Amino acid sequence: DAGVTQSPTHLIKTRGQQVTLRCSPKSGHDTVSWYQQALGQGPQFIFQYYEEEERQRGNFPDRFSGHQFPNYSSELNVNALLLGDSALYLCASSRQLAEPQHFGDGTRLSIL
Amino acid sequence: QQQVKQSPQSLIVQKGGISIINCAYENTAFDYFPWYQQFPGKGPALLIAIRPDVSEKKEGRFTISFNKSAKQFSLHIMDSQPGDSATYFCAASTPTSGTYKYIFGTGTRLKVLA
Repeated sequence: DAGVTQSPTHLIKTRGQQVTLRCSPKSGHDTVSWYQQALGQGPQFIFQYYEEEERQRGNFPDRFSGHQFPNYSSELNVNALLLGDSALYLCASSRQLAEPQHFGDGTRLSIL
Repeated sequence: QQQVKQSPQSLIVQKGGISIINCAYENTAFDYFPWYQQFPGKGPALLIAIRPDVSEKKEGRFTISFNKSAKQFSLHIMDSQPGDSATYFCAASTPTSGTYKYIFGTGTRLKVLA
């Protein structure tokens, strides 16, 4: 039973560039949430997708956008990258908006 | 009011000892309180979770104690082992328009000495 898978595992970008991160939810899950985890901090909620719609959004600028596909996989897009966007980006999945959320191992994004 | 305050920031325990991590919250609408364990280079893994209608939940060596009136909850790790050395996060959530987002604490780095 595959868990939550994320790609790529590491990514290096420069300021001003754009990035797309990908997530496949755990088998049987249809809801995907994205979190940003800065070094030494707890994860912070970015947004959540269910039925291909953004259902809730955290306190992140519009530079952060997402998408969910009919197979429940999801993408996180970040435009105009800033140095402060350097973090571990975590995807979590759950069943029908319910708890608990299961996390992937994340994508480590470094901005130079 | 959306914060979850976690303490201590770091903890060193001898093998076989009890590790205790505490969290406090303000928002009384929170109705689900999970604990996650995170190893370096890995994502958070769900350990145990509780709802406010029970005061304690035990799974193996891990116990959550919940004090609704004090708006506090804690994780107890009994017979701590070196393999338990990791960062632990408490979280809280409440349904908003049918969806749940997790508010995480700042984490506790646990080191268990052999």
